[in-house]
Formats: sequence, structure tokens, C-alpha cells
Amino acid sequence: AQKVTQAQTEISVVEKEDVTLDCVYETRDTTYYLFWYKQPPSGELVFLIRRNSFDEQNEISGRYSWNFQKSTSSFNFTITASQVVDSAVYFCALSEAVYGGATNKLIFGTGTLLAVQP
Amino acid sequence: GAVVSQHPSRVICKSGTSVKIECRSLDFQATTMFWYRQFPKQSLMLMATSNEGSKATYEQGVEKDKFLINHASLTLSTLTVTSAHPEDSSFYICSAGFGTVNQPQHFGDGTRLSIL
Repeated sequence: AQKVTQAQTEISVVEKEDVTLDCVYETRDTTYYLFWYKQPPSGELVFLIRRNSFDEQNEISGRYSWNFQKSTSSFNFTITASQVVDSAVYFCALSEAVYGGATNKLIFGTGTLLAVQP
Repeated sequence: GAVVSQHPSRVICKSGTSVKIECRSLDFQATTMFWYRQFPKQSLMLMATSNEGSKATYEQGVEKDKFLINHASLTLSTLTVTSAHPEDSSFYICSAGFGTVNQPQHFGDGTRLSIL
């Protein structure tokens, strides 16, 4: 069965600190996709990144970076030099591949509430 | 700009009312859309998969007669909460994909439903 675990319920940091959000997943599929979404207080979901199971290369986008390690089934997300605007709930999600080209459902973790204090 | 439009953004109504929520894909065709529900401070839980031209697929524990889904066109899916009660109060959010293999889904802005 698929499962996504975000053990950190809430994290509070002071602006300019680096922070890492953990994500551990379970799946029996060999082909799958991992995602991170940001949900600010207004509620909308903002797509941050998608990673497929065959690409373990780490990715950096500005202050954001992601560390994907299949050996530990983890897909952690680091924000460097955090800012108040980073305050939000962050969700990690898993989607198993659907052959034939269809879009598949997402299994979400429970989310991590990040509070960045000025 | 937004690629998925969801309407209305907020609904407050009396118990017993039926509420319809629309989810539209903008500038692309979505054969599949998804409906999620999120209770306060909780995660998003998939309610159903909406398939254009066929019946929706509901997740275990979701009442299909309570949450009616219609996906009559490639750009529109609707969720109707029938005879809503206070326990149906939640944040409902839809998503749609471009139809290619596991491209990132784009989400609507969600609908906050409050049943008095």
C-alpha cells in the first residue's frame, strides 16, 4: 500500500535559518512520482516540485533544494535562509505510475506547518 | 496564471441545502479530475476520481449518493454535496492533470464550505 509520512507536525524557525522538512514514503511500485506542495493560509495548493523514481539527482531551485534517496525512501525538502513568506503548510505526496498516460491520484502526507518568525 | 478554476471559493448555507462546486480546467482538456477534502489542520484526502463521460470512482467510505460528481465535458467537473449537514463542513479542492503521464496536477483554489 502507498503511504507518505511527514513526522514533523510543526516547525518554528527564525528568519534566515535553514530548515529541512522530512518526507518518507512507502510504495510497492518501481515507477512512481514524488511531489511537494505548499499551502499558504489562503488555502490554495502551490506546486513546488515533481521527481520520478528513476531520477535520484538532487535539485536546487533558488532557496529550495530537494534530496531524494531511494535507499531510505525519503524525499526531503530544505529551505535555506528562510523568510516569513515561507510560512505555510508543506505537503509531500506520492503518485504511482499509470500506464497508458492517464493522470493518477495523489497520496498526501499529513503536512508540516512551518512558521518562520521575523 | 491559474490553470484550474474552482467556484465558488466560499459557501455558507443552512443544513439541508445542496451545494454545487465547479472545477474547470482552463486552456486544456482534462479527462480526469480529482476531488479532495481537507478538514482543519489535516491532510488532503481523496474523495473521488472524476472521469469524463463515465461514472466517478469513489474512495472507500465516501458516499456516492451524498457527493454527486458529474464530469460532462473535458473541461468541467462538478461536485454536489446533497442535503449538506454541519459535518460536511470542510475545504473541498479539485485538481486536474494534463493527461500526459503523471504530469504535475494543478489544483483549484478550493471551496470552504460551512454548513450552519
